[in-house]
Amino acid sequence: GAVVSQHPSRVICKSGTSVKIECRSLDFQATTMFWYRQFPKQSLMLMATSNEGSKATYEQGVEKDKFLINHASLTLSTLTVTSAHPEDSSFYICSARDGRGGNTEAFFGQGTRLTVV
Amino acid sequence: LAKTTQPISMDSYEGQEVNITCSHNNIATNDYITWYQQFPSQGPRFIIQGYKTKVTNEVASLFIPADRKSSTLSLPRVSLSDTAVYYCLVGVRGAGNKLTFGGGTRVLVKP
Repeated sequence: GAVVSQHPSRVICKSGTSVKIECRSLDFQATTMFWYRQFPKQSLMLMATSNEGSKATYEQGVEKDKFLINHASLTLSTLTVTSAHPEDSSFYICSARDGRGGNTEAFFGQGTRLTVV
Repeated sequence: LAKTTQPISMDSYEGQEVNITCSHNNIATNDYITWYQQFPSQGPRFIIQGYKTKVTNEVASLFIPADRKSSTLSLPRVSLSDTAVYYCLVGVRGAGNKLTFGGGTRVLVKP
């Protein structure tokens, strides 16, 4: 079945630095990918929709200059957390749908645990 | 996007059937109902999807009444490994359509 892979699975960074998270669709092309953030014991919160070849669409309240999204190819989207602060520590998850053959279930990456110290 | 309401948590025992009901009173004609399972520190995993009546696969069944204002996920004979959070989502199918998660139901399976 379709697979979405995230890298890294876990990262620790110093406050003020930037961190890049990659999301790849391994065996299908994804013109659209989605980025979520999840705090402990809470649900997934949609941050933005990543569109291949165009600007990402951000949800209300999400700072586009802080969470930079680049979707340069049909199989790769990246999320860069710029000037990270401890409050950005969270579990970040990407998702994509394989639209081939009417299969519309969403596949999720394994998530990236970001800790800012 | 249709809003969903689920119980916050449920406890069960190994071997029992677990039924989780989700309310989605303002579901639209083109909306499908999809359930996902999430283990700690992992991304959600697709369980089942349906539009109306009943859908069954190797892991679960999904019951949807005629008015489609609710749905019930049924997990037969649960095991300890079924302890997870289960999310009910409602929305239009399509690769570009975003999924919005509600609160989910935390299911604890006890020995």
